[in-house]
Amino acid sequence: GIQVEQSPPDLILQEGANSTLRCNFSDSVNNLQWFHQNPWGQLINLFYIPSGTKQNGRLSATTVATERYSLLYISSSQTTDSGVYFCAVESNFGNEKLTFGTGTRLTIIP
Amino acid sequence: DVKVTQSSRYLVKRTGEKVFLECVQDMDHENMFWYRQDPGLGLRLIYFSYDVKMKEKGDIPEGYSVSREKKERFSLILESASTNQTSMYLCATPGGVGGYTFGSGTRLTVV
Repeated sequence: GIQVEQSPPDLILQEGANSTLRCNFSDSVNNLQWFHQNPWGQLINLFYIPSGTKQNGRLSATTVATERYSLLYISSSQTTDSGVYFCAVESNFGNEKLTFGTGTRLTIIP
Repeated sequence: DVKVTQSSRYLVKRTGEKVFLECVQDMDHENMFWYRQDPGLGLRLIYFSYDVKMKEKGDIPEGYSVSREKKERFSLILESASTNQTSMYLCATPGGVGGYTFGSGTRLTVV
């Protein structure tokens, strides 16, 4: 099946810093999503981005489908950005099943 | 907004017990999914259902079964709970703006 790799696995930053999280995937995809899991375990959908670039406030994401990677940018980090960020992809075989990466744990220090 | 509701936030069960985890969605979506999350492993698909009474195994179905008698409800069943099934369980549906919506999760501890 499709493989999803995220890097880095852990990231510790000072408040106000910028960060880039990367997601590589092994095959063509119908769908790619970025999620943020807060400290209480709730997964929040950040972006639905099978290709192109999207922005939402301090967050933006870019997926280059032809090169099989996606990047999540967080600018001017805040402590509330802490948590685990997951990338997940749906392969071209459909059924809407998502395969997840192992996540990047982001810790923002005040 | 789509809502996915999981019946329990925390559960503690004994080894060998039969355990039911319930999930309800209000989006009237055909597809529903059960994942488990373990540290360092991300989320892994246990089972999914693409319609009432229809189900398919995911990547790690051993020790689990599912039930989908109504479109809005998808239940995960641990036939005989074991300590290696201690985990966070998350239910999801593709309904909602921009993709998947997850329930708030059930932290299951098997002692």
